[in-house]
Amino acid sequence: AQSVTQLDSHVSVSEGTPVLLRCNYSSSYSPSLFWYVQHPNKGLQLLLKYTSAATLVKGINGFEAEFKKSETSFHLTKPSAHMSDAAEYFCVVTGGVLTGGGNKLTFGTGTQLKVEL
Amino acid sequence: EPEVTQTPSHQVTQMGQEVILRCVPISNHLYFYWYRQILGQKVEFLVSFYNNEISEKSEIFDDQFSVERPDGSNFTLKIRSTKLEDSAMYFCASSAAGTGGRPAYEQYFGPGTRLTVT
Repeated sequence: AQSVTQLDSHVSVSEGTPVLLRCNYSSSYSPSLFWYVQHPNKGLQLLLKYTSAATLVKGINGFEAEFKKSETSFHLTKPSAHMSDAAEYFCVVTGGVLTGGGNKLTFGTGTQLKVEL
Repeated sequence: EPEVTQTPSHQVTQMGQEVILRCVPISNHLYFYWYRQILGQKVEFLVSFYNNEISEKSEIFDDQFSVERPDGSNFTLKIRSTKLEDSAMYFCASSAAGTGGRPAYEQYFGPGTRLTVT
């Protein structure tokens, strides 16, 4: 079984300050991990992915995440927040043992990021 | 850039009615998925579909649900007799072929269909 826990349901930052969205995972196998973002009334957009290559993963819009096996964490960071980053962010895990027929994604509960002037 | 599209964006239906939610996955993708998000809750996996058959389904995906790929482009989710608790945002996703006959890790999501059952 696999799961992710997003430690904060809401995070508020000032524009230009760093962003940290926390995620811990649980998986029986070596997991693949993702961050997705959902802007209001929009679909889910893939920000970045970890699939057992480099542990520091860079994504779109200046976001990055570091896979830390010892801490079972995959926190999302950005050095400087922008107003357009305000959205809901989902940490997602899929099992390391892939079936031939598809991968079930398991979502966290989401973190709402608010960016203030 | 190719994207997954879904229609309608919002569907209102009465309890007991049948609804069909439509999706057009990215054209060269081979793996298709439905997820749903009840208001205020997690996004939940419903079903995955490959090679014209269901490859995995969740406990939520009971006999009232069915999926179909009626032609080379559409992927549909049918709910036979809707219940109030089916009210949710339904997301379609697709992924390409990866290596070794397995799906690629990334799934690309559509904008969702908001289903309201009254």
